[in-house]
Amino acid sequence: ETGVTQSPTHLIKTRGQQVTLRCSSQSGHNTVSWYQQALGQGPQFIFQYYREEENGRGNFPPRFSGLQFPNYSSELNVNALELDDSALYLCASSLVGWYQETQYFGPGTRLLVL
Amino acid sequence: GQQVMQIPQYQHVQEGEDFTTYCNSSTTLSNIQWYKQRPGGHPVFLIQLVKSGEVKKQKRLTFQFGEAKKNSSLHITATQTTDVGTYFCAGPGHGSSGSRLTFGEGTQLTVNP
Repeated sequence: ETGVTQSPTHLIKTRGQQVTLRCSSQSGHNTVSWYQQALGQGPQFIFQYYREEENGRGNFPPRFSGLQFPNYSSELNVNALELDDSALYLCASSLVGWYQETQYFGPGTRLLVL
Repeated sequence: GQQVMQIPQYQHVQEGEDFTTYCNSSTTLSNIQWYKQRPGGHPVFLIQLVKSGEVKKQKRLTFQFGEAKKNSSLHITATQTTDVGTYFCAGPGHGSSGSRLTFGEGTQLTVNP
């Protein structure tokens, strides 16, 4: 186990709703990255938070937003949910320092949008 | 943008056979990482390669990083049913730190007992 936890484990929402997913990083890690993994595909980078600020963003619209808290835990918020947002959302924590940072993934939140 | 491609997409083997998955990046990578995802699970870090031409072994798994640092491979010798899962390679996004990864599409390995 990596020590990275995510909640909830599963979630069902309807189109147009909003959702908040949570992640607690591994002890000692100061960076949290969020990924979206659609069925049968590799994880896609959404954004990263370091020292409570967004530190890089992938090709995702502004309705995907996030927060990082002083204890390095993080939230992913998605507004105006669309059917294509159905996916496994993965949080990964790492320690910024040397550039070869290993990412430790949490178990993910499976989101289904109906 | 940067692309990371993996082949094959699927591989079915009999237990005891060898397995290889190949990874190619459209850009030179500072490092490449490999992950394994079991069915219904999440990606689990296997290894990171940093040096050009680097070869690392973990029991029956052999990882290679190409001389040009644009390709990599994972070879499993004498597969076992516990090797079932999807294997992903991932590299740091162009111009970014190592923790913003671009993943390949993965190779899904099934092993028939």
